[in-house]
Amino acid sequence: QSALTQPASVSGSPGQSITISCTGTSSDVAGYNLVSWYQQHPGKAPNLIIYGVHDRPSGVSDRFSGSKSGYTASLTISGLQAEDEAEYFCLSYSSSTTYVFGTGTKVTVL
Amino acid sequence: EVQLVESGGGWVQPGRSLRLSCSASGFTFDDYAMHWVRQVPGKGLEWVSSVSWDSDTVGYAGSVKGRFTISRDNAKNSLYLQMNSLRTEDTAFYYCARDPSPNLYRDYYMDVWGKGTTVTVSS
Repeated sequence: QSALTQPASVSGSPGQSITISCTGTSSDVAGYNLVSWYQQHPGKAPNLIIYGVHDRPSGVSDRFSGSKSGYTASLTISGLQAEDEAEYFCLSYSSSTTYVFGTGTKVTVL
Repeated sequence: EVQLVESGGGWVQPGRSLRLSCSASGFTFDDYAMHWVRQVPGKGLEWVSSVSWDSDTVGYAGSVKGRFTISRDNAKNSLYLQMNSLRTEDTAFYYCARDPSPNLYRDYYMDVWGKGTTVTVSS
């Protein structure tokens, strides 16, 4: 598994909810509850927003939520805001490569 | 403020070496394992290497094993990545990141990241 599969882009209007998928294999996403999500604004350091599939670090808005079903993990952003426009990527433990990242998704707020 | 600041990036010819540094502040450095992660321009992220709080446990991606060496100096709150026999495919933006645990292979995520440093390998 070279990378987890994410959609290249997702867009939504302010106030809407959007979901970003992260699809892997039985060696990573499906096999373990070790998926995390990161937000990255241009020129900034990545910021952890979800770990352990659905846990949020303190200080992260509850508009961000994570889930997993089978081979696919998902990040949902509710009540979309202009500040949510950023790149998002997932990360999972992999029994073959230790860590495997997603391909990244650009979120655009219309 | 918890902060990681990378340095040492630059342009280097194939086959040469480069040493990256990451300076940590705002937290007790030796309470945490650390990682290096890289991102090729226009592509996704790739885990490079990790080291436990006491340097007893290290790990490397297959693409860099035998060429890169991770190390840390807890007295200096610093993480390092010695990169030897560099290849054009090592060209990337390199990030330093913190593990939430002192030991590796437990949580499998990174809770604090630096802003990164650019490495360009080209003749």
